[in-house]
Amino acid sequence: QVQLQQSGPGLVKPSQTLSLTCVISGDSVSSNTAAWHWVRQSPVRGFEWLGKTSYRSRWYYHYGPSVKSRLAINPDTSKNQYSLHLNSVTPEDTAVYYCARGWGYAFESWGQGIMVTVSS
Amino acid sequence: QSALTQPPSASGSLGQSVTISCTGTSNDIGNYNYVSWYQHLPGTVPKLLISEVNKRPSGVPDRFSGSKSANTASLTVSGLQAEDEADYYCSSYAGENWVFGGGTKLTVL
Repeated sequence: QVQLQQSGPGLVKPSQTLSLTCVISGDSVSSNTAAWHWVRQSPVRGFEWLGKTSYRSRWYYHYGPSVKSRLAINPDTSKNQYSLHLNSVTPEDTAVYYCARGWGYAFESWGQGIMVTVSS
Repeated sequence: QSALTQPPSASGSLGQSVTISCTGTSNDIGNYNYVSWYQHLPGTVPKLLISEVNKRPSGVPDRFSGSKSANTASLTVSGLQAEDEADYYCSSYAGENWVFGGGTKLTVL
């Protein structure tokens, strides 16, 4: 059974970079069949897909249109984890952030979620 | 505002059936058979109920079923039980992007 454990700060200052990590157990970040996503949920915007990484002989990265210019997702095979780095954050980035394992075109397993507040 | 439209609330009595709709466009639901549904209880993480319009992952009761017609997908919960009271969200693949509905709060009367 796949488990995802998230870590990261709950408070980030405006204009700084938000960084979160998702540690994978029960699967590999280098899996040839899974994808590794980040999704967030806020009262204003609801659920919003942020991006994903996947390995199919090489690494692929895809980012959502709302954060494309500010987001980087980095896999770390040595620690079997992946991370989110969202720069130039504003209060609109305040949300619960989830990592999720993608299986096919669905989000099969989810991390526990981290509430991130952007405030000075 | 969410890309997919769901009714904010739905309700049904114990043992009855309820259907929740999810309306998108030809860019998402109408173009792909990749609609998924999630159950979200307060304080927990979302749980995948349905993938690819109508496929149930192992462990999901067959009381949950999905369907799609044109740009609208539906989730039907049959034989309502008290533990089905939760928020339900739809999602659709939209061409290297995923979109979500705003959620439907299901109340079991």
